[in-house]
Amino acid sequence: KAGVTQTPRYLIKTRGQQVTLSCSPISGHRSVSWYQQTPGQGLQFLFEYFSETQRNKGNFPGRFSGRQFSNSRSEMNVSTLELGDSALYLCASSLDTYSYEQYFGPGTRLTVT
Amino acid sequence: KQEVTQIPAALSVPEGENLVLNCSFTDSAIYNLQWFRQDPGKGLTSLLLIQSSQREQTSGRLNASLDKSSGRSTLYIAASQPGDSATYLCAAIYGQNFVFGPGTRLSVLP
Repeated sequence: KAGVTQTPRYLIKTRGQQVTLSCSPISGHRSVSWYQQTPGQGLQFLFEYFSETQRNKGNFPGRFSGRQFSNSRSEMNVSTLELGDSALYLCASSLDTYSYEQYFGPGTRLTVT
Repeated sequence: KQEVTQIPAALSVPEGENLVLNCSFTDSAIYNLQWFRQDPGKGLTSLLLIQSSQREQTSGRLNASLDKSSGRSTLYIAASQPGDSATYLCAAIYGQNFVFGPGTRLSVLP
């Protein structure tokens, strides 16, 4: 069974631009969560989607948004990029909201210059 | 506030040693606890998931224990190998809310 895939793997953007990251969960998994990982703050939860609905949200500004499609694939968008948004963005999938084991993708490394 | 800490922050051991990594969480009302491994610049690989009703889980050379009352979990690695070198993170799971620790960076020297 294929694992969680994320595209693109690397991205360089300029301050003020916007970016969209994509995540394809493991086949059959319906819950997708997004995390931001930085050296200073560690791994921080962004949001979780289940059946195309955002179920949980972390403490991030409204510039960070996401959505989930009917095939469970998910995208996250960051608008008006700031230097501090440079990070590894990780996506994780699980079977459903009540299944607590998450499987992580390789991440997208975003650099904002 | 739900917080997770890990001690030590970094650890360097010679190959073959047994070692223990520690994870502490402030809110003992966890559902489960999960240990992950992360190689540099890569995603997380799940190692062990301990459900709240369990006390420990084992997989190969790895053994993880959970003590909810004291807010602690330990990951025991037996007969360490250079390939074990990575950052190890624990996550306290509250529903679908995963609270991660900062990780322990492990180096196993050949």
